[in-house]
Amino acid sequence: KNEVEQSPQNLTAQEGEFITINCSYSVGISALHWLQQHPGGGIVSLFMLSSGKKKHGRLIATINIQEKHSSLHITASHPRDSAVYICAVGGYGGATNKLIFGTGTLLAVQP
Amino acid sequence: DAGITQSPRHKVTETGTPVTLRCHQTENHRYMYWYRQDPGHGLRLIHYSYGVKDTDKGEVSDGYSVSRSKTEDFLLTLESATSSQTSVYFCAISVGGIISYNEQFFGPGTRLTVL
Repeated sequence: KNEVEQSPQNLTAQEGEFITINCSYSVGISALHWLQQHPGGGIVSLFMLSSGKKKHGRLIATINIQEKHSSLHITASHPRDSAVYICAVGGYGGATNKLIFGTGTLLAVQP
Repeated sequence: DAGITQSPRHKVTETGTPVTLRCHQTENHRYMYWYRQDPGHGLRLIHYSYGVKDTDKGEVSDGYSVSRSKTEDFLLTLESATSSQTSVYFCAISVGGIISYNEQFFGPGTRLTVL
């Protein structure tokens, strides 16, 4: 079992749909990161959060520390949102100097 | 992009040859990281550095060594490349301090093929 689990692994949506990607982890952490990687492209940090909720444009990230779960929501999805979304946790098991990554969710938004 | 570059961007080499990948940053950040990305595994930490001459191993460090003689450069060396080291390699920095509490910026990646 991976320490960081993402679901779904693959997701296809129609333009305009509301999208949710989930991330679960099994032990206490200090912060959770959401990253975006476009096909053949680099990796961009979207959010870092340790509690509550953050919003950037059409992207919303939430975290529930007690339930060890985070969600990334995309409102009014667009084909340019097509990418791999990666969850990563810091402070896993007390190790604050490294991140552990999920395997990513591949999102395809069709026009 | 926090001024991170990687070189080379693509490399094809043969088994048994040494390979060095370079990560360069322009903003004097203390923490630098080397990851590899493979299908089905996500990003995995190879080595990281928390200052000049200060490095430590990650979860997949076997077969790799690193050096950091200047703040701006973090080198990853494959002493004798093997086909299992075919991968995409990403360098990253954390801005502001230790990674758990700070945002991480990634370089553009190096695609390495070992024949």
